[in-house]
Amino acid sequence: DTGVSQNPRHKITKRGQNVTFRCDPISEHNRLYWYRQTLGQGPEFLTYFQNEAQLEKSRLLSDRFSAERPKGSFSTLEIQRTEQGDSAMYLCASSLDRARYQETQYFGPGTRLLVL
Amino acid sequence: AQSVTQLGSHVSVSEGALVLLRCNYSSSVPPYLFWYVQYPNQGLQLLLKYTTGATLVKGINGFEAEFKKSETSFHLTKPSAHMSDAAEYFCAVSAYNQGGKLIFGQGTELSVKP
Repeated sequence: DTGVSQNPRHKITKRGQNVTFRCDPISEHNRLYWYRQTLGQGPEFLTYFQNEAQLEKSRLLSDRFSAERPKGSFSTLEIQRTEQGDSAMYLCASSLDRARYQETQYFGPGTRLLVL
Repeated sequence: AQSVTQLGSHVSVSEGALVLLRCNYSSSVPPYLFWYVQYPNQGLQLLLKYTTGATLVKGINGFEAEFKKSETSFHLTKPSAHMSDAAEYFCAVSAYNQGGKLIFGQGTELSVKP
């Protein structure tokens, strides 16, 4: 299977701890997106990368959140000093941008975070 | 700014009945429109998308949607519901000058009764 993968699938942590999630996109995809989904809501955009460059960050992405995509391959999303309000499903998606029109974003299975 | 409104957080139909899930959007530039489906504890799967061209778009699993600019709508339909269609459905909008980020509606949970 060459789809988008995310690890871990589930993470339980205590308030104040740091957590890091990993996303491996489809290999030839140059764009990578992070979204957050809380219970009963649609996903909300957090940030995206074009290759290794982080081109946009949502206002939802406080300074406790940081994302990287070294070498334009996999990406990590780190949350420092977690709060209970960070509990959510974190979704990663990738696409192949051909600069013509909106390419399909393929989503991973998500990482479900629970902050106690 | 772009936004999506999905009318009805829960829709229930009988197996074999018509499925209609409503989506209205707001966009200051020509929109790209999408429907995704999400099964419990899984990521999102694309059902169909509208970018340009034909306004009636056919997707997977017998679903289709029609882009109506005058009504700013992109409703999702399926002539005959199947038990396996029970899931959460999300409508989303993006634009060519927005870096491809998707703006999602709140979702509609579809239940299918036998």
